Amino acid sequence: GDSVTQMEGPVTLSEEAFLTINCTYTATGYPSLFWYVQYPGEGLQLLLKATKADDKGSNKGFEATYRKETTSFHLEKGSVQVSDSAVYFCALTGSQGNLIFGKGTKLSVKP
Amino acid sequence: DTAVSQTPKYLVTQMGNDKSIKCEQNLGHDTMYWYKQDSKKFLKIMFSYNNKELIINETVPNRFSPKSPDKAHLNLHINSLELGDSAVYFCASSQGGGENQPQHFGDGTRLSIL
Repeated sequence: GDSVTQMEGPVTLSEEAFLTINCTYTATGYPSLFWYVQYPGEGLQLLLKATKADDKGSNKGFEATYRKETTSFHLEKGSVQVSDSAVYFCALTGSQGNLIFGKGTKLSVKP
Repeated sequence: DTAVSQTPKYLVTQMGNDKSIKCEQNLGHDTMYWYKQDSKKFLKIMFSYNNKELIINETVPNRFSPKSPDKAHLNLHINSLELGDSAVYFCASSQGGGENQPQHFGDGTRLSIL
């Protein structure tokens, strides 16, 4: 079945460092891809999405490009801030419209 | 203003009890979901409803019963609670349930079984 694999965390970075969180997927069709972020004690918030190959989703300085050839959707940010500390989830839409999530990557940014 | 609201936020109860979690969305969406997040933060779909009709029913014990009185509400009732039910339960909604539609999540209900 469809699945998402993302890099294990936790990831600890200093402020202003470059961030990459790897995400690859397995799907029979061409699903939409998403990154969600979960801040401590809160629900999930949509960070960005891409609906077809070569689309680039971007928001709040984060970017991810839908790469069909490598079945990847890596999340990047050029300069992280302490306020970016959270758990990041890569996800795709399953055949019935539900989200299929990766296991989440916890990011901690130190001042 | 809250788009997807769940109550209660915290639920602590004894094994064997029956409890309900309520979810309401004011976004006008026609599809609602319940997800379970375990202690390792892994999220998995439990149920989804589209216009009050059950669409997804994953391999969840039948002690869990969703109820959708209208398309703005999707409640989750759990009978005979077990220790393994301890988790955070998230409600979500989307328009159409289609591939391109992002889902909006509530803040979660943290269920702890003693």
